[in-house]
Amino acid sequence: DSGVTQTPKHLITATGQRVTLRCSPRSGDLSVYWYQQSLDQGLQFLIQYYNGEERAKGNILERFSAQQFPDLHSELNLSSLELGDSALYFCASSVGPDALYEQYFGPGTRLTVT
Amino acid sequence: GQQLNQSPQSMFIQEGEDVSMNCTSSSIFNTWLWYKQDPGEGPVLLIALYKAGELTSNGRLTAQFGITRKDSFLNISASIPSDVGIYFCAGQLASGTYKYIFGTGTRLKVLA
Repeated sequence: DSGVTQTPKHLITATGQRVTLRCSPRSGDLSVYWYQQSLDQGLQFLIQYYNGEERAKGNILERFSAQQFPDLHSELNLSSLELGDSALYFCASSVGPDALYEQYFGPGTRLTVT
Repeated sequence: GQQLNQSPQSMFIQEGEDVSMNCTSSSIFNTWLWYKQDPGEGPVLLIALYKAGELTSNGRLTAQFGITRKDSFLNISASIPSDVGIYFCAGQLASGTYKYIFGTGTRLKVLA
């Protein structure tokens, strides 16, 4: 158990809908990272927040957005969902703001868009 | 998006054999991490490397940060069935971006 929690574990929704994925980092970690993993693919970095502020952006679509709240949990919002958005979404947390610090991953949310 | 070249893509080995895999790039990295991912689960951090030439072990696993800073290697000795899974490397570019780039993964299958 990495100490990172994600909810829900599974999500099934229809095209065009909007969903929110939630992540709680490990106790003491200030950074939250979001990743997308499509079937049998590697991890694609989406976005990072550090202590409530956006720190880095990766390959995140305009239909996707995220935020980190004062209690440091983070939410990833996916809107106007398309079939191709079906994937595993992971969040990871680390102590510090940059990649000098190890990232610990949550169990993921499996999103299925039908 | 960017990804590191990781090889081999997959491998079948006999229980008890040693395993080697690597990640390579044309870019220079400051940090390397190695993860193992079981199906449907999140990646679990195995080893972190911070200096060129660094050799670090975690049980039967040994990883090295390449001298050129463009590659990293992971070795598993005396493999066991529970070593099955996908192994990912992740590197932080020396260019100063605050993100990791992940390898394409090595899928390991161990035959008992």
